[in-house]
Amino acid sequence: GESVGLHLPTLSVQEGDNSIINCAYSNSASDYFIWYKQESGKGPQFIIDIRSNMDKRQGQRVTVLLNKTVKHLSLQIAATQPGDSAVYFCAETLNSGYSTLTFGKGTMLLVSP
Amino acid sequence: EAGVTQFPSHSVIEKGQTVTLRCDPISGHDNLYWYRRVMGKEIKFLLHFVKESKQDESGMPNNRFLAERTGGTYSTLKVQPAELEDSGVYFCASSRTGRNTEAFFGQGTRLTVV
Repeated sequence: GESVGLHLPTLSVQEGDNSIINCAYSNSASDYFIWYKQESGKGPQFIIDIRSNMDKRQGQRVTVLLNKTVKHLSLQIAATQPGDSAVYFCAETLNSGYSTLTFGKGTMLLVSP
Repeated sequence: EAGVTQFPSHSVIEKGQTVTLRCDPISGHDNLYWYRRVMGKEIKFLLHFVKESKQDESGMPNNRFLAERTGGTYSTLKVQPAELEDSGVYFCASSRTGRNTEAFFGQGTRLTVV
């Protein structure tokens, strides 16, 4: 599969820890944001999304925070598990009615047992 | 329901050759997108089809790349002639019509130009 980890920032955590992955987005006009998880040899998989009229959204074990003032997104994963090891991308899009995405650079999360 | 499927999963070709990548979107998804990830960099948008029409091809790097979606079903992305810098993983995604509908990605085609 693809070597997704080259040249990527890496976050290494122990199983059970909470993880926080950060992302700076580029377009102040973007109003819809998504976090994707990409495992080696697979395509990006949707984790959670948030619209610009919100600053926090929670899912199962994941929380996304949005700070529009500084154009910053974060993904918090509670009780991180080895299966969470992957590359995480944030993506932004305009409220155009379509899903054309602009991706961030990605962060590799490594979870040790 | 089958997901987005891409073929081949991996292709190794020589510089100057032609390669055609195929994407079968989820049935009923009018929107089809091509993206590319060059080694170590972010995933970048290439183009977007709505049914058989090109809605946005602003991300296509140059005229060596040709995408088609005849009949509004599967899509092909041809690279001719391939250059070394075309190496990377090419992802296809599809989504239903509607505002900010979720895009489902295929597993990608890893293209290596040598």
